[in-house]
Amino acid sequence: NAGVTQTPKFRILKIGQSMTLQCAQDMNHNYMYWYRQDPGMGLKLIYYSVGAGITDKGEVPNGYNVSRSTTEDFPLRLELAAPSQTSVYFCASSYAHNEQFFGPGTRLTVL
Amino acid sequence: GESVGLHLPTLSVQEGDNSIINCAYSNSASDYFIWYKQESGKGPQFIIDIRSNMDKRQGQRVTVLLNKTVKHLSLQIAATQPGDSAVYFCAENKGAQKLVFGQGTRLTINP
Repeated sequence: NAGVTQTPKFRILKIGQSMTLQCAQDMNHNYMYWYRQDPGMGLKLIYYSVGAGITDKGEVPNGYNVSRSTTEDFPLRLELAAPSQTSVYFCASSYAHNEQFFGPGTRLTVL
Repeated sequence: GESVGLHLPTLSVQEGDNSIINCAYSNSASDYFIWYKQESGKGPQFIIDIRSNMDKRQGQRVTVLLNKTVKHLSLQIAATQPGDSAVYFCAENKGAQKLVFGQGTRLTINP
């Protein structure tokens, strides 16, 4: 199993541009999550999903959107990139209330 | 606001010594905590968890202690090895697998 995969690994955006961060898992997990991690800080939950077709806001959802059309994929969309969205983004998945498995992260810089 | 916090941002120990990483939480109703290890450039990795009906839980070379009276938990790593160098986070599971992370403690191993 590849586990949780994320693309791209790195990205530089200009203010106002949009992009989609991709996340996929091959463990048949029903729960998936997006976090952001700012330098020297812990992770903050952006959005999560408990199954295909179901998404909900986390602690810091503003400026982001998600969709969950399949069990495997959970893309994160930034519509109008802002410098405050410069961060490392981690996707994670879990089977119900068991441990979360994290992807390797996407480092995003908005200039 | 943040409901879990770590006492020290950095900790240096000698190889072979035991390491103790501390974490405090604010909500006395909190009932499920998880410790994660994050190596440089990687996503967090589950180490061990504990629920409020326990005071202590042991894994391989790791022990988590929970003191509900003073709302404090600690992660003890026995016989610290160079591979233990990482940032360690405590996280509170606030239900539906929504995790709130502390800021992390960077553990450095001295040879």
